[in-house]
Amino acid sequence: AQSVAQPEDQVNVAEGNPLTVKCTYSVSGNPYLFWYVQYPNRGLQFLLKYITGDNLVKGSYGFEAEFNKSQTSFHLKKPSALVSDSALYFCAVRDDGAGSYQLTFGKGTKLSVIP
Amino acid sequence: DSGVTQTPKHLITATGQRVTLRCSPRSGDLSVYWYQQSLDQGLQFLIQYYNGEERAKGNILERFSAQQFPDLHSELNLSSLELGDSALYFCASSAGEGLHEQYFGPGTRLTVT
Repeated sequence: AQSVAQPEDQVNVAEGNPLTVKCTYSVSGNPYLFWYVQYPNRGLQFLLKYITGDNLVKGSYGFEAEFNKSQTSFHLKKPSALVSDSALYFCAVRDDGAGSYQLTFGKGTKLSVIP
Repeated sequence: DSGVTQTPKHLITATGQRVTLRCSPRSGDLSVYWYQQSLDQGLQFLIQYYNGEERAKGNILERFSAQQFPDLHSELNLSSLELGDSALYFCASSAGEGLHEQYFGPGTRLTVT
């Protein structure tokens, strides 16, 4: 079975500082990994994905994520946080060995960027 | 704007009733997914359709059903509603399956009283 964990319910960071939102996963095959962001009263927006290839993936709004197979992690990063980055962030995984196209989402991490 | 539309935006109904939520995918997308988001359960995958056929089933109750029509829009039917069914219901679409990112609609907020 595929699963994903976001160990922090909330992350606080000062504006201009680097931010990291953590994600670890568990799959039996190869992982396909995604990050989404949700602003209040809105649907989820796609940020970036890892399918194969370069372990550092660049996405929208200056975000990037690093795939680490040995640590089964896919942490989301940004070099300099903006107040407008404050939102709920979701990591998601699909196991290519599962025989299903279902995505499993983490519980979400609330990011607060303090001015 | 993701290009995925959902109607209605809000729905208030009583226990025991039946409602239908509607989703129109992005132009050209063949896959439609339904999710339920609640504070205690998080984002739960319900069901996926691809070009009119059911492809994957998640934590969908027997009281719930869905279909995808020839024009690719989808409907989620919720019946015998209970208080615990109150949640945000999202539809998402993707061009294909698996490797493709999903684009989410704005959601339908269902309140069961």
